[in-house]
Amino acid sequence: DTGVSQDPRHKITKRGQNVTFRCDPISEHNRLYWYRQTLGQGPEFLTYFQNEAQLEKSRLLSDRFSAERPKGSFSTLEIQRTEQGDSAMYLCASSLNWASNTEAFFGQGTRLTVV
Amino acid sequence: GEDVEQSLFLSVREGDSSVINCTYTDSSSTYLYWYKQEPGAGLQLLTYIFSNMDMKQDQRLTVLLNKKDKHLSLRIADTQTGDSAIYFCAESSTGGGNKLTFGTGTQLKVEL
Repeated sequence: DTGVSQDPRHKITKRGQNVTFRCDPISEHNRLYWYRQTLGQGPEFLTYFQNEAQLEKSRLLSDRFSAERPKGSFSTLEIQRTEQGDSAMYLCASSLNWASNTEAFFGQGTRLTVV
Repeated sequence: GEDVEQSLFLSVREGDSSVINCTYTDSSSTYLYWYKQEPGAGLQLLTYIFSNMDMKQDQRLTVLLNKKDKHLSLRIADTQTGDSAIYFCAESSTGGGNKLTFGTGTQLKVEL
């Protein structure tokens, strides 16, 4: 396993279109996180899953955003009716067992540009 | 809510020590982290410290934590050009999935 994989790496879309990103975590990791990073800022938490259950969503996650992890493995993040303000890097991370504070591994991200 | 602040930019000469500072507001922070981000790459965890520790050393990296002042620092000894990157401080607290709250990042530039 080579780490957390995100697809696509880059996405350019027109305003109003829907987009979907995929994250494949490290295979045995039960926790999966989505973050958003805008230019010049640190990543901001969006949501996380433990196995297939979505346990927390940030207020940043408007109703145009939806995330799923149907089988507790890969996850998808969908943005409906994209707006220019959605342009950002979307980062996925996974971890095995937070109680013992093992490392959260980050993917390389999907860069979204809304034109 | 939680807030993590860092200075935006630091420039050092190769071979010197770099010190990157961070302040945070959440008194329930359990773990504090330093991540490194290079252009086009994901975030790489450099080191972390538990909130009941004052110091942690890992090869060229030294982390100092002043819990009273909610101040965290990362010292990089013998800084090399390969250390040029953006460094993020982050904190997590127990409960709520231990999500990370990141600072805005400090861009470290190492000059010859």
